[in-house]
Amino acid sequence: AQTVTQSQPEMSVQEAETVTLSCTYDTSESNYYLFWYKQPPSRQMILVIRQEAYKQQNATENRFSVNFQKAAKSFSLKISDSQLGDTAMYFCAFKNRDDKIIFGKGTRLHILP
Amino acid sequence: NAGVMQNPRHLVRRRGQEARLRCSPMKGHSHVYWYRQLPEEGLKFMVYLQKENIIDESGMPKERFSAEFPKEGPSILRIQQVVRGDSAAYFCASSPSDGQGVTGELFFGEGSRLTVL
Repeated sequence: AQTVTQSQPEMSVQEAETVTLSCTYDTSESNYYLFWYKQPPSRQMILVIRQEAYKQQNATENRFSVNFQKAAKSFSLKISDSQLGDTAMYFCAFKNRDDKIIFGKGTRLHILP
Repeated sequence: NAGVMQNPRHLVRRRGQEARLRCSPMKGHSHVYWYRQLPEEGLKFMVYLQKENIIDESGMPKERFSAEFPKEGPSILRIQQVVRGDSAAYFCASSPSDGQGVTGELFFGEGSRLTVL
């Protein structure tokens, strides 16, 4: 069975610092998609960034970037110059070839002023 | 373009009653996912549907739970004879198609919070 594991239940960093959230996954497929979603307090879940497994280049969206290590099945999210508005639950997600999308348990990130 | 609409936002049921949760996907999206979120836990996959078809229901309990996505109208997640353990937030998400399946970008509703007394 495919699984997504986020080993950091909770993290806190000072505003303007850089933080990295970890995610590992398990699959026997070679082509799949990976995502990071953000769930702010009392607000809707939104997509932060996505990565296609067949692309070697790491995806980047402004202050958000990923470190995709396919052989290690690792997909970490780096947030640079963190802002108070980055405070949220962050979920790593995996889409298989049958379009089933599963999520990790999440990392609660606190950005401290 | 309205987002994913879920209703009711809050639902209270007594043990043994039925809960019916509705989800209208974004306009143009024909793929719907349902997830359950328990406190301090992640999103647990329940079911993935296309219009008039259940594609994958591997995450849904075999008993008491059912889902549908009719040709017309919203997707419905139905829980019969609810028990206290069903208390959770239920999220619906829709995804656009890329011609070969879904893009995987999920657009979420605000969730329906079920409380079973």
